[in-house]
Amino acid sequence: EPEVTQTPSHQVTQMGQEVILRCVPISNHLYFYWYRQILGQKVEFLVSFYNNEISEKSEIFDDQFSVERPDGSNFTLKIRSTKLEDSAMYFCASSGLGVRSSYNEQFFGPGTRLTVL
Amino acid sequence: AQTVTQSQPEMSVQEAETVTLSCTYDTSENNYYLFWYKQPPSRQMILVIRQEAYKQQNATENRFSVNFQKAAKSFSLKISDSQLGDTAMYFCAFMPTLNYGGSQGNLIFGKGTKLSVKP
Repeated sequence: EPEVTQTPSHQVTQMGQEVILRCVPISNHLYFYWYRQILGQKVEFLVSFYNNEISEKSEIFDDQFSVERPDGSNFTLKIRSTKLEDSAMYFCASSGLGVRSSYNEQFFGPGTRLTVL
Repeated sequence: AQTVTQSQPEMSVQEAETVTLSCTYDTSENNYYLFWYKQPPSRQMILVIRQEAYKQQNATENRFSVNFQKAAKSFSLKISDSQLGDTAMYFCAFMPTLNYGGSQGNLIFGKGTKLSVKP
């Protein structure tokens, strides 16, 4: 069964450093998303991406964040200068169009736990 | 703005019994989708069940069913014959209607209900 994968599973970084979180969405999906979940809190939408550009972004997704699809398989989230409050679980998700069983269903990856020290 | 409210931070149920998790939402849209996601201790997000707002029939998936009350903006999850493996956080989520040619819409989550199934 196809699945979304994310690397690394856990990333520890120093405040002010840049991090890149990587995701490989399901291969025939067209829509890609990043969400984050601060420990003990709800999952929050960050950004959606379609046709090689950002479709929507939340107010959390400020100038320190960027997303990219550098090739046909990877989808990355970059945080330019990490802050303590960026510590969270980051989930990548993807969804397809035209496949009835997955229509409007977002498949989530296992997440990357980011710890900023 | 759309919001999702889960009023039960924690619940517990005995194995083999039935439990209902509550969810209400606020929206001015007529067409949308509702979901329940399960998050076990591994923190993986797993889709449990999905409901299209234009469908009156309540969705069911094996032991999981929903009570969708559109007028009341209520979307509760019933778990029958609870199993130890059902122990997890459960998140209710709302998604606006698909925008053709653009985003499929982001998910808006509630704060979650921590369910413990006791042997």
